[in-house]
Order: sequence, then C-alpha cells, then structure tokens
Amino acid sequence: KQEVTQIPAALSVPEGENLVLNCSFTDSAIYNLQWFRQDPGKGLTSLLLIQSSQREQTSGRLNASLDKSSGRSTLYIAASQPGDSATYLCAVRPEGGSEKLVFGKGTKLTVNP
Amino acid sequence: DGGITQSPKYLFRKEGQNVTLSCEQNLNHDAMYWYRQDPGQGLRLIYYSQIVNDFQKGDIAEGYSVSREKKESFPLTVTSAQKNPTAFYLCASSQWTVSNQPQHFGDGTRLSIL
Repeated sequence: KQEVTQIPAALSVPEGENLVLNCSFTDSAIYNLQWFRQDPGKGLTSLLLIQSSQREQTSGRLNASLDKSSGRSTLYIAASQPGDSATYLCAVRPEGGSEKLVFGKGTKLTVNP
Repeated sequence: DGGITQSPKYLFRKEGQNVTLSCEQNLNHDAMYWYRQDPGQGLRLIYYSQIVNDFQKGDIAEGYSVSREKKESFPLTVTSAQKNPTAFYLCASSQWTVSNQPQHFGDGTRLSIL
C-alpha cells in the first residue's frame, strides 16, 4: 500500500530565507507527483506536477525535484515571503489505471516578516 | 473563469439526516473526485467518477453516496449511516487520460453536526 510522508509537519522561517520541504513515498511505481498549496479553510491549489520520467519542474520561485527510485521529492522555495505561509501537500498518483491520488499530511509553513 | 464550485461553504447536519454537498465544474473535465480532510490527516478519497453514469468507491466510501448524471456535476450525499461526518469535504476534477494532468480543487464544504 502506497504511503506518503512529509517532514517536517511544521516549519517557521524568517522572510527571505530559502527553504526545502520534503516528501517521501514507499512505492516507486508512480505516474506522477504533485505539490499543492492549501490556505486555511480553502481548497488546494496545484503548484507543480512532475511526471515519473522527469527530474524536476520549476515555476517562479518554486522548484520541485523527484527521485523516483529512492521515493523522494523536495519542494524548494527561494527567497520566502510572508505570503508563502500555508500548508504544502504532496501527492502521488500510483500506477494502475486510476486517477486516484495518495496524499501526505502536509507541512505547515510560516514565514515571519 | 473556469473552475470548480462547491456549495454550501458551511453545512450542519442533524441526527439521522441525510445531507447533499454540491460540486459543479466548467472545465470540461471527464473525471471528478470527492475527498475528506480531517485535522492532522491527509486527504482521503471517498468516491470518484471517470465518466457520466459511472463511479467507483474510494478508500472510505461507507456512509456516503454519489451520482454522476451530468459531466459537470458530482453531488455527494452524506447519509445517516456515516457516524462521524464532521470534516472538510473537497471536490476535484481532472482530464481522464494517462497523460499526467493535474487535479483541480474547489474551495470545500465544512460539515458539522448539530
């Protein structure tokens, strides 16, 4: 059974710092990995999707990497801002024909001014 | 703008009552999903539908029911059989292909027990 773990559960950093969020998964048989952002009381916003054949994806100050064989992904946020404060969720789509995603529990990020 | 609309934003259920959560999308997506989110836990899949008039159970389908009569709509009914319905419910949609399309989410419905 696929399991997704995100460490740390919470992270507090000063504004301007570069930071890394970690995601690990137990089964390397995946189609893709997706990073989401969730603001309090809101739905999920898709940030980056990495296909299983890719090593990384970039969007603005965000860079996500994928090491499928070791079951790991990282989300790198450059020059963090208070507006980046949110919960970041990682999800994998296992191979097997379903669009089902398996989610981690998230990392709650606080960027202090 | 294209997107997913969930309503209501807040919902209260009385003992023994069934309640229905609405989810509508105008993204022309084939697949739609319902997730449940509890504090300290990741999202868990309740039901999903790949095509109109077809749907499959997810990991925690007991006490829930769905229908998919139109491509745009995927309502979720929380029945009285669901003994712990208090949670944040999220609807999502995506293109039904194997070409790695992201899932898009609505803003959620928070269900509480009176």
